[in-house]
Amino acid sequence: EVSLVESGGGLVQPGGSLRLSCAASGFTLSDYWMTWVRQAPGKGLEWVANIRKDGSLKHYVDSVEGRFTVSRDNAKNSLYLQINSLRAEDSAVYYCSRDFSPEGYCGGTPCYYDAFDVWGQGTMVTVSS
Amino acid sequence: AIQMTQSPSSLSASVGDRVTITCRASQGIRSELAWYQQKPGRAPKLLIYGASSLQSGVPSRFSGSGSGTDFSLTISSLQPEDFATYYCLQDFKYPRTFGHGTKVDVK
Repeated sequence: EVSLVESGGGLVQPGGSLRLSCAASGFTLSDYWMTWVRQAPGKGLEWVANIRKDGSLKHYVDSVEGRFTVSRDNAKNSLYLQINSLRAEDSAVYYCSRDFSPEGYCGGTPCYYDAFDVWGQGTMVTVSS
Repeated sequence: AIQMTQSPSSLSASVGDRVTITCRASQGIRSELAWYQQKPGRAPKLLIYGASSLQSGVPSRFSGSGSGTDFSLTISSLQPEDFATYYCLQDFKYPRTFGHGTKVDVK
């Protein structure tokens, strides 16, 4: 069965750090881009970061750039999110997701879409003193 | 960043109703838009990608349309399990951005 399981969340003081993990099973992690999405309590979804299949390219939302680092260890079937200099507004459930990148046509030219078809259950990060 | 404006923010409907949710991008995004459904306490679920491609296993009552800046998600006949919050997501440019969500509840 294909699944993703996040761990590593918890209560941390402002300015602190955490390392979130996402364990993949039932598929070959190295075949997929992977993405982190977060959701503050009672709020909507926010795309946080993604990472190329081999880890060579990463993108971040502006609000976490320089504080968060996404990485992966394909040999261990694991995805990570190192989160530093935490702020109250980083409090959220953090989800990892698999992007199966289906092919399509964008403006008449071949392209790959983002499509997050497998999600973990999420791990809660609470930033509070 | 590209802003995604969803409307309405909430709607009340009955089983069997036809429901349409719209999403407008602040700039053209071709067909690079997906729709997700989320139920309370659960992870999101992919419904539509590439603006109109139905994800495997998703019922055919869900459909997506649009390109450029204006998109819509339609549920042709609302079922009890469809009461949830729906989000659009643009994947044209980084950072990816979600709409603020549309909550569909019971009328």
